[in-house]
Amino acid sequence: NAGVTQTPKFRILKIGQSMTLQCAQDMNHNYMYWYRQDPGMGLKLIYYSVGAGITDKGEVPNGYNVSRSTTEDFPLRLELAAPSQTSVYFCASSPSPFPRINEKLFFGSGTQLSVL
Amino acid sequence: GENVEQHPSTLSVQEGDSAVIKCTYSDSASNYFPWYKQELGKRPQLIIDIRSNVGEKKDQRIAVTLNKTAKHFSLHITETQPEDSAVYFCAARISSNTGKLIFGQGTTLQVKP
Repeated sequence: NAGVTQTPKFRILKIGQSMTLQCAQDMNHNYMYWYRQDPGMGLKLIYYSVGAGITDKGEVPNGYNVSRSTTEDFPLRLELAAPSQTSVYFCASSPSPFPRINEKLFFGSGTQLSVL
Repeated sequence: GENVEQHPSTLSVQEGDSAVIKCTYSDSASNYFPWYKQELGKRPQLIIDIRSNVGEKKDQRIAVTLNKTAKHFSLHITETQPEDSAVYFCAARISSNTGKLIFGQGTTLQVKP
């Protein structure tokens, strides 16, 4: 298994540009998440999904959109990029919490995004 | 809203000493508390976790304690080694239905040889 795969690893955007951060997992996990990590800060939840066709907002959803058309893929869309969106973005997945066999969060390797 | 506070933000210890990192959470319904270690430029990795029906859990040199009444939990690392140097994050799960984790701000641990 490849686990959680994120692309691209690095990207520089100009203010106002749009892009999609890709995330795919091959572990058949129902639950998927997008976090952002600002320098010296913790991880903030942007959006999450509990299954295909179901998404919901996290702590900091403004400026982002997501979709979940398949179990495997959970892309994050940035519209009208702003300097405040400069961050490291982590995608993660986990099995369903029920039954409580394995609640571990599996992280992708991250995307370093700079908006200039 | 839900919040997790983590202290200290930085911690420096001598090799062989113990290190303690503390977190408090706001939502009394939280029922799962993992700790993640993140080395520079790497993804966070789970090192230990505890559920709300357990007061303490130990795995070799690391242990986690939970005080549900006070709504705080702590990470204890004994006999620290230079390879323990990293950023440590606590987290609390606020909903079993969604698996959502709220993370603390992180603690940068430096173990001096």
